[in-house]
Amino acid sequence: GENVEQHPSTLSVQEGDSAVIKCTYSDSASNYFPWYKQELGKGPQLIIDIRSNVGEKKDQRIAVTLNKTAKHFSLHITETQPEDSAVYFCAARFDNFNKFYFGSGTKLNVKP
Amino acid sequence: DGGITQSPKYLFRKEGQNVTLSCEQNLNHDAMYWYRQDPGQGLRLIYYSQIVNDFQKGDIAEGYSVSREKKESFPLTVTSAQKNPTAFYLCASEGSVNVLTFGAGSRLTVL
Repeated sequence: GENVEQHPSTLSVQEGDSAVIKCTYSDSASNYFPWYKQELGKGPQLIIDIRSNVGEKKDQRIAVTLNKTAKHFSLHITETQPEDSAVYFCAARFDNFNKFYFGSGTKLNVKP
Repeated sequence: DGGITQSPKYLFRKEGQNVTLSCEQNLNHDAMYWYRQDPGQGLRLIYYSQIVNDFQKGDIAEGYSVSREKKESFPLTVTSAQKNPTAFYLCASEGSVNVLTFGAGSRLTVL
């Protein structure tokens, strides 16, 4: 089955700096890669996603890049703000297959 | 407001007891999922259901049971057979393909 690895497990940045979280996956059939943000005591929320036919996707301060050859994808947050502090999860999925495979999460701390 | 409601938010169980976690959605989604979250680990799939009266085991189904008698409801029972049930449990539903909507979670602690 698919295996998703996520790094780093914790990340501390100064407000205004950029943050990058990286994930690798093992199954080349995976073609959908979402990123979720989980605030303390809440369920994860989808923040951005990318399909395997696209190399990069941007939404304001958040971007995701995908390298299909290397089987890795990354979340980039620019101009970080304290409200970006949360746990971020990456995931991988193959269409028409019900399982999402999640990474182990990255706790991002943005220091004011 | 459409969404997923999980209850209770916190639950304490004595060893040997079964407990049921509620998950209700008013999003008219067909597919629903239960995940378990442990510190430092990703979300692990317990059970999922694509339609009413049908469900499949996920990766860690042992010691858990579910039912899907109504589209809106997908309760999870943590049985006494689950050896290490203390965890944070998340229910999710899927509307548009690939888009999961999560509830706020239920934290179960075994005393």
